[in-house]
Amino acid sequence: DTGVSQDPRHKITKRGQNVTFRCDPISEHNRLYWYRQTLGQGPEFLTYFQNEAQLEKSRLLSDRFSAERPKGSFSTLEIQRTEQGDSAMYLCASSLAQGRDGYTFGSGTRLTVV
Amino acid sequence: SQQGEEDPQALSIQEGENATMNCSYKTSINNLQWYRQNSGRGLVHLILIRSNEREKHSGRLRVTLDTSKKSSSLLITASRAADTASYFCATEPGGSYIPTFGRGTSLIVHP
Repeated sequence: DTGVSQDPRHKITKRGQNVTFRCDPISEHNRLYWYRQTLGQGPEFLTYFQNEAQLEKSRLLSDRFSAERPKGSFSTLEIQRTEQGDSAMYLCASSLAQGRDGYTFGSGTRLTVV
Repeated sequence: SQQGEEDPQALSIQEGENATMNCSYKTSINNLQWYRQNSGRGLVHLILIRSNEREKHSGRLRVTLDTSKKSSSLLITASRAADTASYFCATEPGGSYIPTFGRGTSLIVHP
């Protein structure tokens, strides 16, 4: 296991289209997080899962955003009817319960909405 | 809203010098973590310090935590050009397992 994988690395989409990103966490990590990061800012929390349960969602996560983690393994983040303001880097992180050893981040998916 | 704020926003030094970055936060925390991010990449975990610890070392990194002042500092000694990156502090507010990040310090180390 080489870490947290995110796919795709880059995505360019037209406004109004739907996009889906995938995150494969470290296999023994039961917590999985999604963050969004725009240029010059720190990562902003979107949502997190413990195993397959989605335990918390940020108010940033509008109803156009949905995340799943079936069977507590990989996770997907879908954005429907994309807007230009959705352009950002989407980061996934995983950890053991309580993040005692910190969080392992993937390289991110950079979304550009044109 | 952001729990932690790093200071300074930008730091430019020469190779071999030490770099110090500070982080202030607002509420009680379980722990505080420092991360590095190279341009366009994901974040790399550097060090975690628990709320009952005051200082921690890892290689050329030294982190201090003052819970009475709600602040932390990250010291990078004998900096290298490869240390050029953005550095973020992340806090887990008490009772939460969601790390919250500041805006980061952009460090440039000139060779």
